[in-house]
This record gives sequence, structure tokens and C-alpha cells, in this order.
Amino acid sequence: DIQMTQSPSFLSASVGDRVTINCKASQNINKYLNWYQQKLGEAPKRLIYNTNNLQTGIPSRFSGSGSGTDYTLTISSLQPEDFATYFCLQHNSFPNTFGAGTKLELK
Amino acid sequence: EVQLVESGGGLVQPGRSLKLSCAASGFTFSNYYMAWVRQAPKKGLEWVATISTSGSRTYYPDSVKGRFTISRDNAKSSLYLQMNSLKSEDTATYYCARSDYSGIDYWGQGVMVTVSS
Repeated sequence: DIQMTQSPSFLSASVGDRVTINCKASQNINKYLNWYQQKLGEAPKRLIYNTNNLQTGIPSRFSGSGSGTDYTLTISSLQPEDFATYFCLQHNSFPNTFGAGTKLELK
Repeated sequence: EVQLVESGGGLVQPGRSLKLSCAASGFTFSNYYMAWVRQAPKKGLEWVATISTSGSRTYYPDSVKGRFTISRDNAKSSLYLQMNSLKSEDTATYYCARSDYSGIDYWGQGVMVTVSS
């Protein structure tokens, strides 16, 4: 099974900051990596699919990059509504596996 | 608008069975793979099962293989998860999810399953 190591687990930042969240796969996942945002009590929302494709309706301050085993989600300028939990998902192969999540908190 | 509404959760004793349902609307259900994903309290997400468009192919992780069965009824736009021999570690919120060529794109709100005596 492919293991996804996500970092950091917690991130404290301010409105306007640029933040990055990382996911490292235990083997090459061929850019089949998605990013999701989850707010308390809500269903997760897909932000980025296949490494760097922005989901329709998601603001352009969200972007993704990476290849091979290393992937990054970047939020260029944090907005108040961005404080949430973020997680990655590899869908290169079954079993699909998730990162453990990053909780983004207001500093 | 894509909507996925789960039902059937609740409290069940260890070793017993439970069947979850997911009613889909807002898209052509038969054109999409579907999946179940769970999240134990204060834990991360775990993929539970995926089913192909026709239902002919199913996929499970080792943690539920042989105990859980995913199925679908395209005529009713409904997805199901039959869970047998439940264990305390199956306690989680279970999400119904739609999957396209780019992985999971839409999620339901989730339904809670508690396995406890």
C-alpha cells in the first residue's frame, strides 16, 4: 500500500500569509494527487485534482504542484474562510490513501 | 447540483450487521464510480470501498475485505454499504463519495456508525 506522509500536522498563520502544505508518497504516484478542504461539520471539498488542476469554483489563491513522490498545496494569501483542515489523497492505485491532515489555525 | 445523502447509521453491537444507503441526485449516477470513505473520531480519513459504474468491479482495503460489501442500484441512483461482523474500530463517520477520472470529487455529509455493546 502507498503511504502518504502529510506535513505539517498543524499550521498557525495569519490572514494574508502564504502557506504550503506537503504530502510525500512512499512511491511514485504519477501526479494522481488531490487536495481537499474540510471545515468542522461539513463535507470535504475538492480543491485541486491531479496535482495542479484547480477545481471549478475554487479561488485561484489555491494552487498545487509536485511530481513523483512529493506534492505541495499552496495558499498564496490566506483569507478568513481558509482556516480549516486540509488533506491529500492519492488515487494512483488501490487502496487509495489519504494524508493525515493539516489543521490550519489562525495565529 | 450534486447531492449525496447518506442514511442508515446508528448504534450497533460488535459482531452485528448494518447497511448504509446513499441517495444520489443532480448527476447521471450510472456514469460514475462511487465510493465509501470513513473517518474515525479525531482520526484521519480511510478509504473503505469503490464500485465501478455497472457494479461489476469492486475494491476494498484489507481492513474491511470480506466483511463489507459495496453495491449500487443505478435505476434508483443509490449506493449501499453492507457491513457485517462489525468491530469497535469500525466506529466512524461514513461518507458516500462520487469518483471521476480524477478521484473523489463530491462527498456527502456523512453518517455516524457507532459499534459498541
